[in-house]
Amino acid sequence: DVKVTQSSRYLVKRTGEKVFLECVQDMDHENMFWYRQDPGLGLRLIYFSYDVKMKEKGDIPEGYSVSREKKERFSLILESASTNQTSMYLCASSFRGAGRPYEQYFGPGTRLTVT
Amino acid sequence: EDQVTQSPEALRLQEGESSSLNCSYTVSGLRGLFWYRQDPGKGPEFLFTLYSAGEEKEKERLKATLTKKESFLHITAPKPEDSATYLCAVQEGYGGATNKLIFGTGTLLAVQP
Repeated sequence: DVKVTQSSRYLVKRTGEKVFLECVQDMDHENMFWYRQDPGLGLRLIYFSYDVKMKEKGDIPEGYSVSREKKERFSLILESASTNQTSMYLCASSFRGAGRPYEQYFGPGTRLTVT
Repeated sequence: EDQVTQSPEALRLQEGESSSLNCSYTVSGLRGLFWYRQDPGKGPEFLFTLYSAGEEKEKERLKATLTKKESFLHITAPKPEDSATYLCAVQEGYGGATNKLIFGTGTLLAVQP
């Protein structure tokens, strides 16, 4: 069974704090993704990584950065948290292939509240 | 602009009352369409992948179909435990090796006993 774990289910942080969200997958997937999910907006891609130390911006990267030092771990960093970053954050991973696309497997999510 | 639209936004069914959810897409070239189930406060759970028009996949009471412009998720004789939000996502264009997906906003299904 594919397993994607996230470091926290719930987090409460203050405006201006630096926030780290961590994600670990145990399926040797090359690709890893960070999304945020907001009511009425669906899942929006923040950043993704297709290999160790490689990263690419998604649709809404502003205010975020990422780190991938090991294949199984992908971290999302909020450099200076703001109230508009209150959201559900979802990590996902998938195999990488040049042929048919592979499905992404999601973690349980982190509900972040910035006050 | 590439888009994925799901309808209806919400659907309430009686137990045993079959129905279908719709996912329509406008992308330059579909490489794959994915269905997920999401329970409240949890991450999406993968259900199906469809790659080409005419393809069908089944799992228990769920059946997914694909045409060139839309996909349907048919729910036969639903039970209360099928209540969840169902998400559709597509990968478009050449996609490369990164498998970026475009998600719809989901259909919230409630099945009443």
